[in-house]
Amino acid sequence: DVKVTQSSRYLVKRTGEKVFLECVQDMDHENMFWYRQDPGLGLRLIYFSYDVKMKEKGDIPEGYSVSREKKERFSLILESASTNQTSMYLCASSLDTGGAQYFGPGTRLTVL
Amino acid sequence: GESVGLHLPTLSVQEGDNSIINCAYSNSASDYFIWYKQESGKGPQFIIDIRSNMDKRQGQRVTVLLNKTVKHLSLQIAATQPGDSAVYFCAERPGYSTLTFGKGTMLLVSP
Repeated sequence: DVKVTQSSRYLVKRTGEKVFLECVQDMDHENMFWYRQDPGLGLRLIYFSYDVKMKEKGDIPEGYSVSREKKERFSLILESASTNQTSMYLCASSLDTGGAQYFGPGTRLTVL
Repeated sequence: GESVGLHLPTLSVQEGDNSIINCAYSNSASDYFIWYKQESGKGPQFIIDIRSNMDKRQGQRVTVLLNKTVKHLSLQIAATQPGDSAVYFCAERPGYSTLTFGKGTMLLVSP
C-alpha cells in the first residue's frame, strides 16, 4: 500500500511566521503534489514536483514555495504566514504525472 | 475549523440502500477518471478508476459508469453502510496533464 505521511495533523502559527509542512512518501513515486482544501472550493493545486529539484506552479502558488531535495520528501513553505492561509493542506504522490494520486492525512493549519 | 463537507450537495440514504453519486466532468479530452472518498478529518482515499475506453468498471460493492457522450461519471455503492458516510469526489485527467478534481458530494447514511 502507498503510504504518504505529513509531519503534523494540526498546526497553529502566528501571522508573519515562516511555516514548513513536510510530506514523505514510501512508494518511490516520481510526482508529488501540494493542495489546499477549503469548504466550497474543493482541492486547489499549489505546486507539484515531477522529479527531484523540479517544481511546477499550480493554480494558487502565491505566498508559497516548495522544496524537493530527495525523491521521497516534498516540503511546502509559507514564507510569511497570513490569516488567509488558514486551511487544510494535503500532500499527494503519484507514479505518473497524470496517474492516480495517493493522499496523506492532511495538516490543518490555523494562522492567528 | 470548517468541515470540507460544508456547502456541498448532499445525498441521504438508509443503510442497505444502493447509492448513486454523480459527477459531470468538464473536458471532452479527459481519458482517465478516478473516484475518491474523504472521511471527516482525513485525506482523500482512492476508490476506483476507469479509463475512457471503458464504460463500466466494478470493484468491491462499487461500480463506476462512464458516459462520454454527455460527459458524465457515476459511482454506485451497493448495500450502503454507515461507514460509507463521507464526501465523494471525482477526478479527471484532461489529456497529458495532472488530475483536476470536482468539489464533491456528501453521502450521509442513516442506520
